[in-house]
Amino acid sequence: EAGVAQSPRYKIIEKRQSVAFWCNPISGHATLYWYQQILGQGPKLLIQFQNNGVVDDSQLPKDRFSAERLKGVDSTLKIQPAKLEDSAVYLCASSLALGHTGELFFGEGSRLTVL
Amino acid sequence: KNEVEQSPQNLTAQEGEFITINCSYSVGISALHWLQQHPGGGIVSLFMLSSGKKKHGRLIATINIQEKHSSLHITASHPRDSAVYICAVRSGNQFYFGTGTSLTVIP
Repeated sequence: EAGVAQSPRYKIIEKRQSVAFWCNPISGHATLYWYQQILGQGPKLLIQFQNNGVVDDSQLPKDRFSAERLKGVDSTLKIQPAKLEDSAVYLCASSLALGHTGELFFGEGSRLTVL
Repeated sequence: KNEVEQSPQNLTAQEGEFITINCSYSVGISALHWLQQHPGGGIVSLFMLSSGKKKHGRLIATINIQEKHSSLHITASHPRDSAVYICAVRSGNQFYFGTGTSLTVIP
């Protein structure tokens, strides 16, 4: 079974530029999460999707961050314009469904450096 | 205050030592996860448990629901166990994460 796929693995940009990350969850997983992990901290939820609907985006900085999962499968997270403090690893995770106590599967992450 | 607290934050051990990492949480949960993150790598799920104890190779995870506490034990530690270990709990539709325990095992 293929795992959660993310790209790119690494990205270096200058502040005020834009960047997009892509995630393809495990086939059949309805719930998809984007997390931001700053060095030395645990993952922080940015947005949670159930199929193509948003369940929780309360911690997403909506002035610069956006995410979509139009067809309920793969998802894109965009940052525009980037700030220095956005340097982090962006983790995508998926699980079977809301309310399901199943495992959470993570991708390898996309490491962003903003100069 | 974080919903999930881990201790210690950093841990250095000699190869072969028995290691314990602790996790306490303050919310009602349906499951607790122990995750492993290698430098530059993604996160791998080690255990998911909602009661009792699970064992996989040299790793043992226990949970006490009444005390809202879980421990991850590593027996006969090895340098390849060096990683960050993260405790995460599922509460409703949310996951809450600890800040991780950075483990270094010295040969």
